[in-house]
Amino acid sequence: EADIYQTPRYLVIGTGKKITLECSQTMGHDKMYWYQQDPGMELHLIHYSYGVNSTEKGDLSSESTVSRIRTEHFPLTLESARPSHTSQYLCASSEWGNQRNTEAFFGQGTRLTVV
Amino acid sequence: AQKVTQAQTEISVVEKEDVTLDCVYETRDTTYYLFWYKQPPSGELVFLIRRNSFDEQNEISGRYSWNFQKSTSSFNFTITASQVVDSAVYFCALSEARVSNYKLTFGKGTLLTVNP
Repeated sequence: EADIYQTPRYLVIGTGKKITLECSQTMGHDKMYWYQQDPGMELHLIHYSYGVNSTEKGDLSSESTVSRIRTEHFPLTLESARPSHTSQYLCASSEWGNQRNTEAFFGQGTRLTVV
Repeated sequence: AQKVTQAQTEISVVEKEDVTLDCVYETRDTTYYLFWYKQPPSGELVFLIRRNSFDEQNEISGRYSWNFQKSTSSFNFTITASQVVDSAVYFCALSEARVSNYKLTFGKGTLLTVNP
Protein backbone atom coordinates (compact mmCIF):
# COMPACT_ATOMS: atom_id res chain seq x y z
CA GLU A 1 0.00 0.00 0.00
CA ALA A 2 1.50 3.30 -1.11
CA ASP A 3 1.58 6.19 1.32
CA ILE A 4 1.38 9.21 -0.89
CA TYR A 5 -1.33 11.78 -0.49
CA GLN A 6 -2.61 14.61 -2.60
CA THR A 7 -4.92 17.41 -1.57
CA PRO A 8 -7.33 18.66 -2.59
CA ARG A 9 -8.92 15.80 -4.49
CA TYR A 10 -11.05 18.18 -6.53
CA LEU A 11 -10.67 21.93 -7.00
CA VAL A 12 -12.78 24.39 -8.94
CA ILE A 13 -11.30 27.84 -9.01
CA GLY A 14 -11.68 31.13 -10.87
CA THR A 15 -9.28 32.48 -13.46
CA GLY A 16 -6.38 34.46 -12.04
CA LYS A 17 -6.33 32.80 -8.64
CA LYS A 18 -3.15 31.42 -7.13
CA ILE A 19 -3.35 27.77 -6.19
CA THR A 20 -1.11 25.21 -4.56
CA LEU A 21 -1.60 21.48 -5.00
CA GLU A 22 -0.22 19.52 -2.09
CA CYS A 23 1.64 16.23 -2.28
CA SER A 24 3.14 14.35 0.65
CA GLN A 25 4.66 10.91 0.99
CA THR A 26 5.65 8.99 4.10
CA MET A 27 7.90 6.42 2.44
CA GLY A 28 11.10 8.45 2.63
CA HIS A 29 11.47 8.39 -1.14
CA ASP A 30 14.04 10.74 -2.62
CA LYS A 31 12.50 11.07 -6.07
CA MET A 32 9.19 12.79 -6.59
CA TYR A 33 7.26 13.69 -9.74
CA TRP A 34 4.32 15.67 -11.01
CA TYR A 35 2.41 14.42 -14.02
CA GLN A 36 -0.35 16.20 -15.89
CA GLN A 37 -2.96 13.99 -17.43
CA ASP A 38 -5.15 15.35 -20.21
CA PRO A 39 -8.66 14.08 -21.03
CA GLY A 40 -7.18 11.84 -23.71
CA MET A 41 -5.48 9.85 -20.92
CA GLU A 42 -1.88 10.62 -21.85
CA LEU A 43 0.46 11.35 -18.92
CA HIS A 44 2.99 14.15 -19.25
CA LEU A 45 5.86 14.66 -16.82
CA ILE A 46 5.94 18.34 -15.85
CA HIS A 47 8.30 18.41 -12.83
CA TYR A 48 10.54 16.07 -10.89
CA SER A 49 12.92 16.18 -7.99
CA TYR A 50 15.92 14.07 -6.99
CA GLY A 51 15.77 15.19 -3.38
CA VAL A 52 15.67 18.20 -1.08
CA ASN A 53 16.42 21.48 -2.88
CA SER A 54 16.44 19.72 -6.26
CA THR A 55 13.78 20.46 -8.88
CA GLU A 56 13.81 19.89 -12.63
CA LYS A 57 11.47 20.65 -15.49
CA GLY A 58 9.85 17.67 -17.11
CA ASP A 59 9.12 16.82 -20.72
CA LEU A 60 6.04 19.03 -21.00
CA SER A 61 6.44 22.74 -20.48
CA SER A 62 4.30 23.99 -17.63
CA GLU A 63 3.61 27.38 -16.10
CA SER A 64 3.52 25.79 -12.69
CA THR A 65 6.40 25.78 -10.23
CA VAL A 66 7.44 23.30 -7.56
CA SER A 67 9.55 23.30 -4.43
CA ARG A 68 11.21 20.60 -2.37
CA ILE A 69 12.14 21.92 1.04
CA ARG A 70 11.41 18.66 2.83
CA THR A 71 11.86 15.11 1.59
CA GLU A 72 8.23 14.24 2.16
CA HIS A 73 6.64 17.32 0.61
CA PHE A 74 6.50 18.38 -3.08
CA PRO A 75 3.88 21.08 -3.64
CA LEU A 76 2.97 22.47 -7.05
CA THR A 77 1.95 26.11 -7.45
CA LEU A 78 0.16 28.02 -10.17
CA GLU A 79 0.53 31.77 -9.65
CA SER A 80 -2.39 32.68 -11.88
CA ALA A 81 -4.72 29.90 -12.91
CA ARG A 82 -6.21 29.83 -16.41
CA PRO A 83 -8.79 27.58 -18.06
CA SER A 84 -5.97 25.94 -20.04
CA HIS A 85 -4.65 24.61 -16.71
CA THR A 86 -7.76 22.49 -16.28
CA SER A 87 -6.50 18.93 -15.99
CA GLN A 88 -5.75 16.09 -13.61
CA TYR A 89 -2.47 16.41 -11.73
CA LEU A 90 -0.82 13.27 -10.39
CA CYS A 91 2.01 13.21 -7.88
CA ALA A 92 4.34 10.22 -7.53
CA SER A 93 7.43 9.13 -5.65
CA SER A 94 10.05 6.43 -5.96
CA GLU A 95 13.28 5.32 -4.37
CA TRP A 96 16.58 6.69 -5.54
CA GLY A 97 19.46 4.48 -6.61
CA ASN A 98 17.86 1.26 -5.44
CA GLN A 99 17.52 -0.76 -8.56
CA ARG A 100 15.35 -3.36 -6.96
CA ASN A 101 12.55 -0.97 -6.15
CA THR A 102 12.26 1.49 -8.96
CA GLU A 103 8.52 1.62 -9.37
CA ALA A 104 6.78 4.90 -8.74
CA PHE A 105 3.81 5.11 -6.39
CA PHE A 106 1.07 7.56 -7.21
CA GLY A 107 -1.30 9.66 -5.21
CA GLN A 108 -5.00 9.77 -6.01
CA GLY A 109 -4.62 12.90 -8.09
CA THR A 110 -6.08 16.40 -8.02
CA ARG A 111 -8.70 17.18 -10.60
CA LEU A 112 -8.38 20.91 -11.26
CA THR A 113 -11.01 22.94 -13.07
CA VAL A 114 -10.39 26.61 -13.79
CA VAL A 115 -13.50 28.57 -14.73
CA ALA B 1 15.47 8.74 -26.11
CA GLN B 2 13.00 6.29 -24.69
CA LYS B 3 9.52 5.67 -26.06
CA VAL B 4 6.58 3.44 -25.23
CA THR B 5 3.85 2.61 -27.73
CA GLN B 6 0.48 1.17 -26.83
CA ALA B 7 -1.17 0.79 -30.19
CA GLN B 8 -4.57 -0.20 -28.80
CA THR B 9 -6.42 2.91 -27.68
CA GLU B 10 -9.56 1.09 -26.61
CA ILE B 11 -10.54 -2.55 -26.19
CA SER B 12 -13.98 -3.85 -25.36
CA VAL B 13 -14.60 -7.45 -24.32
CA VAL B 14 -17.33 -9.50 -22.72
CA GLU B 15 -16.80 -10.84 -19.24
CA LYS B 16 -14.78 -14.10 -19.06
CA GLU B 17 -12.98 -13.40 -22.32
CA ASP B 18 -9.19 -13.31 -22.31
CA VAL B 19 -7.63 -10.03 -23.42
CA THR B 20 -4.06 -9.01 -24.26
CA LEU B 21 -2.82 -5.45 -24.03
CA ASP B 22 0.18 -4.72 -26.24
CA CYS B 23 3.21 -2.66 -25.32
CA VAL B 24 6.24 -1.96 -27.50
CA TYR B 25 9.16 0.08 -26.24
CA GLU B 26 12.28 1.78 -27.54
CA THR B 27 15.44 2.48 -25.60
CA ARG B 28 19.15 2.74 -26.30
CA ASP B 29 20.07 1.44 -22.87
CA THR B 30 20.87 -2.19 -22.20
CA THR B 31 19.59 -1.94 -18.64
CA TYR B 32 16.07 -0.68 -18.13
CA TYR B 33 12.82 -1.38 -16.32
CA LEU B 34 9.33 -1.95 -17.63
CA PHE B 35 6.12 -1.44 -15.71
CA TRP B 36 2.39 -1.82 -16.00
CA TYR B 37 -0.03 0.42 -14.13
CA LYS B 38 -3.81 0.30 -13.84
CA GLN B 39 -5.93 3.45 -13.59
CA PRO B 40 -9.50 2.70 -12.50
CA PRO B 41 -12.24 5.32 -12.86
CA SER B 42 -11.35 6.70 -9.41
CA GLY B 43 -8.21 8.16 -10.99
CA GLU B 44 -5.19 6.87 -9.08
CA LEU B 45 -2.50 4.84 -10.81
CA VAL B 46 -1.99 1.44 -9.27
CA PHE B 47 1.34 -0.31 -9.77
CA LEU B 48 0.94 -3.85 -11.15
CA ILE B 49 4.35 -5.16 -12.10
CA ARG B 50 8.01 -4.27 -12.69
CA ARG B 51 10.31 -6.22 -15.01
CA ASN B 52 14.07 -5.77 -15.31
CA SER B 53 15.64 -5.89 -18.76
CA PHE B 54 17.95 -8.73 -17.78
CA ASP B 55 15.11 -10.94 -16.57
CA GLU B 56 13.03 -12.27 -19.44
CA GLN B 57 11.01 -14.73 -17.40
CA ASN B 58 7.33 -14.39 -17.91
CA GLU B 59 5.25 -13.79 -14.84
CA ILE B 60 1.82 -14.89 -13.74
CA SER B 61 -0.15 -13.42 -10.88
CA GLY B 62 -3.63 -14.84 -10.57
CA ARG B 63 -5.52 -13.91 -13.72
CA TYR B 64 -2.75 -11.57 -14.85
CA SER B 65 0.27 -12.61 -16.89
CA TRP B 66 3.05 -10.70 -18.59
CA ASN B 67 5.11 -11.72 -21.61
CA PHE B 68 8.44 -9.90 -21.92
CA GLN B 69 10.33 -10.41 -25.19
CA LYS B 70 13.52 -8.41 -25.71
CA SER B 71 13.87 -9.64 -29.28
CA THR B 72 10.71 -7.78 -30.26
CA SER B 73 10.93 -5.05 -27.57
CA SER B 74 7.54 -6.01 -26.27
CA PHE B 75 6.02 -6.36 -22.82
CA ASN B 76 2.47 -7.55 -23.29
CA PHE B 77 -0.11 -7.98 -20.55
CA THR B 78 -2.83 -10.64 -20.61
CA ILE B 79 -5.89 -10.81 -18.42
CA THR B 80 -7.46 -14.24 -18.33
CA ALA B 81 -11.19 -14.63 -17.73
CA SER B 82 -11.73 -10.88 -17.59
CA GLN B 83 -14.12 -9.38 -15.05
CA VAL B 84 -16.06 -6.13 -14.97
CA VAL B 85 -13.73 -4.87 -12.23
CA ASP B 86 -10.85 -5.08 -14.71
CA SER B 87 -12.35 -2.14 -16.59
CA ALA B 88 -9.75 0.62 -16.41
CA VAL B 89 -7.05 2.38 -18.35
CA TYR B 90 -3.81 0.41 -18.42
CA PHE B 91 -0.45 2.08 -18.89
CA CYS B 92 2.84 0.54 -19.87
CA ALA B 93 5.93 2.47 -18.77
CA LEU B 94 9.70 2.37 -19.20
CA SER B 95 12.60 3.76 -17.23
CA GLU B 96 16.26 3.66 -18.04
CA ALA B 97 18.49 2.46 -15.23
CA ARG B 98 20.98 5.31 -15.31
CA VAL B 99 20.64 7.07 -11.98
CA SER B 100 21.38 10.39 -13.63
CA ASN B 101 18.44 10.08 -15.97
CA TYR B 102 15.88 8.08 -14.09
CA LYS B 103 12.48 9.03 -15.48
CA LEU B 104 9.33 7.07 -16.18
CA THR B 105 8.06 7.30 -19.73
CA PHE B 106 4.47 6.19 -20.18
CA GLY B 107 2.59 4.93 -23.19
CA LYS B 108 -0.67 6.65 -24.06
CA GLY B 109 -2.72 4.01 -22.30
CA THR B 110 -5.30 1.44 -23.34
CA LEU B 111 -8.88 1.81 -22.14
CA LEU B 112 -10.24 -1.64 -21.37
CA THR B 113 -13.98 -2.06 -20.98
CA VAL B 114 -15.27 -5.39 -19.75
CA ASN B 115 -18.98 -5.76 -20.34
CA PRO B 116 -21.15 -8.10 -18.27
